[in-house]
Amino acid sequence: KAGVTQTPRYLIKTRGQQVTLSCSPISGHRSVSWYQQTPGQGLQFLFEYFSETQRNKGNFPGRFSGRQFSNSRSEMNVSTLELGDSALYLCASSLGQGFTYEQYFGPGTRLTVT
Amino acid sequence: EDKVVQSPLSLVVHEGDTVTLNCSYEVTNFRSLLWYKQEKKAPTFLFMLTSSGIEKKSGRLSSILDKKELFSILNITATQTGDSAVYLCAVEVPGTYKYIFGTGTRLKVLA
Repeated sequence: KAGVTQTPRYLIKTRGQQVTLSCSPISGHRSVSWYQQTPGQGLQFLFEYFSETQRNKGNFPGRFSGRQFSNSRSEMNVSTLELGDSALYLCASSLGQGFTYEQYFGPGTRLTVT
Repeated sequence: EDKVVQSPLSLVVHEGDTVTLNCSYEVTNFRSLLWYKQEKKAPTFLFMLTSSGIEKKSGRLSSILDKKELFSILNITATQTGDSAVYLCAVEVPGTYKYIFGTGTRLKVLA
């Protein structure tokens, strides 16, 4: 079974631009969560989607948004990029919501903002 | 504010040593705690713990949860250089489906 895939793997953008990252969950998984990982802050939760609805949101500004499609694939968008948005963005999928479901991570998209 | 603290921050051992990594959390009534291993890429799932006092084992790795004292440990016996990684623990925020991650313990195993 294929794992979680994320595209693109690397991205360089300039301040003020916007970016869209994509995540394809493991087949059959319906929940997708997004995380930002930086050396200083570690892994921080961005948001979680289940059945095309955002169910949870972390403490990030409104410039960070996302959506989930009917096939469970998810996209994350960051508008008006800032230097501080440079990070590894990870998505994780699980079969369903709830604490009994294990999360599996994709390889991440490394975003560099110059 | 909910918080997950891991210790030590980093650790250097020699092959064959046994290590114990700690994860303590200030999240009450949580339902699950996860351990991950992160090398250069994405974190890979190790364990999910939901019940206090029940040890989970996978080869040389084992983990246990103490819900009363709010901590978990991850043990690695007979360490190998391939165990070198950052080990992350994450706790579910009660009533939500999101996890708070600790900053990780960086383990380096020398040959």
